[in-house]
Amino acid sequence: KQEVTQIPAALSVPEGENLVLNCSFTDSAIYNLQWFRQDPGKGLTSLLLIQSSQREQTSGRLNASLDKSSGRSTLYIAASQPGDSATYLCAVSGYSSASKIIFGSGTRLSIRP
Amino acid sequence: GAGVSQTPSNKVTEKGKYVELRCDPISGHTALYWYRQSLGQGPEFLIYFQGTGAADDSGLPNDRFFAVRPEGSVSTLKIQRTERGDSAVYLCASSLTSGETDTQYFGPGTRLTVL
Repeated sequence: KQEVTQIPAALSVPEGENLVLNCSFTDSAIYNLQWFRQDPGKGLTSLLLIQSSQREQTSGRLNASLDKSSGRSTLYIAASQPGDSATYLCAVSGYSSASKIIFGSGTRLSIRP
Repeated sequence: GAGVSQTPSNKVTEKGKYVELRCDPISGHTALYWYRQSLGQGPEFLIYFQGTGAADDSGLPNDRFFAVRPEGSVSTLKIQRTERGDSAVYLCASSLTSGETDTQYFGPGTRLTVL
């Protein structure tokens, strides 16, 4: 059974710092991995999707990497801003059901002005 | 509409009652998903529709939970004999198809509270 773990559960850093969020998964047979952002009281927004054949994806100040063999992904946020404060969720979909996404519990990020 | 919408945004009910939660997906999206999110946890998959049929309902916790999508667009999640443990935010998502590269777009959720 696929399990997704995110560490740390919460993180607070001053504005301007670069930071890394970590995600690990137990079954390396994945179709893809996604990073989502969730703001309080709102739905999830997909930030980056990495297909199983890819190693990384970049969007603006965000860079996500994928190492399938070790079951790890990282989300790198450069030059953090207060507007980046949110919960970040890592999620994978597996071969058995590509549309069934398994989520981690998230990292609650707070950027201090 | 521009995005996935869910109604109601909040629902408070008493234990034992029946509730219906509605999801309007993005127009033209053939795939629709329901998730449940408890406080401090990530969303948990419940069921996924491709068109009108439930392609995967393995996440439904028990037979009190049922979902329909009769015309391949709007979906309703139905919960019978609600229990306090059903309290959570119920999220709906849709995607253009169900391919591995298709992004799921999420609605704002319905917060269900069972007293």
